Amino acid sequence: ETGVTQSPTHLIKTRGQQVTLRCSSQSGHNTVSWYQQALGQGPQFIFQYYREEENGRGNFPPRFSGLQFPNYSSELNVNALELDDSALYLCASSPLTTGEKLFFGSGTQLSVL
Amino acid sequence: SQKIEQNSEALNIQEGKTATLTCNYTNYSPAYLQWYRQDPGRGPVFLLLIRENEKEKRKERLKVTFDTTLKQSLFHITASQPADSATYLCALAINNAGNMLTFGGGTRLMVKP
Repeated sequence: ETGVTQSPTHLIKTRGQQVTLRCSSQSGHNTVSWYQQALGQGPQFIFQYYREEENGRGNFPPRFSGLQFPNYSSELNVNALELDDSALYLCASSPLTTGEKLFFGSGTQLSVL
Repeated sequence: SQKIEQNSEALNIQEGKTATLTCNYTNYSPAYLQWYRQDPGRGPVFLLLIRENEKEKRKERLKVTFDTTLKQSLFHITASQPADSATYLCALAINNAGNMLTFGGGTRLMVKP
């Protein structure tokens, strides 16, 4: 167990809807990243938050947005859902001091119908 | 464009043998290379990190090599066990802190008793 918790574990939405996924980072970790993992593929970096600000972003459109709260927990919001957004969404936290290895949660499986 | 390639075909080996997984990358000069294990329905779990100035790293039955000239890393599991069956992901850091990662597609390892 990594101590990173995500909710919900599963979610079904329809195309065009909006979704919010939540993540509580491991105690002492102030950096949170989100990844999208399509079936049979490796995780793809969406963005990272540090001290409540976006610290880096992958090749994802603006309809993917996020927040980090003072307690370092985080949200991923996706607007105008598309069928291709169906994937496992992973949250990962890391401490600032090492900043090298990531601790992943078990993910939220999102299905867009 | 930057690319990380892992053998997408599953690797089937007999218990007790050594499993060797390959990670090749192009258009990167990574400071770190990491290996993660992922079980079905779970998030990736960190296994090993190797730095660009290190040729080899070991942890129990695991060994990783890193050849920056060939742009390749090899991941070995010696005396493999059925419990080692999982998908193994190679990842490179895309920032100096080493905590924004780009992943390969993963290789599924099946160890048969």
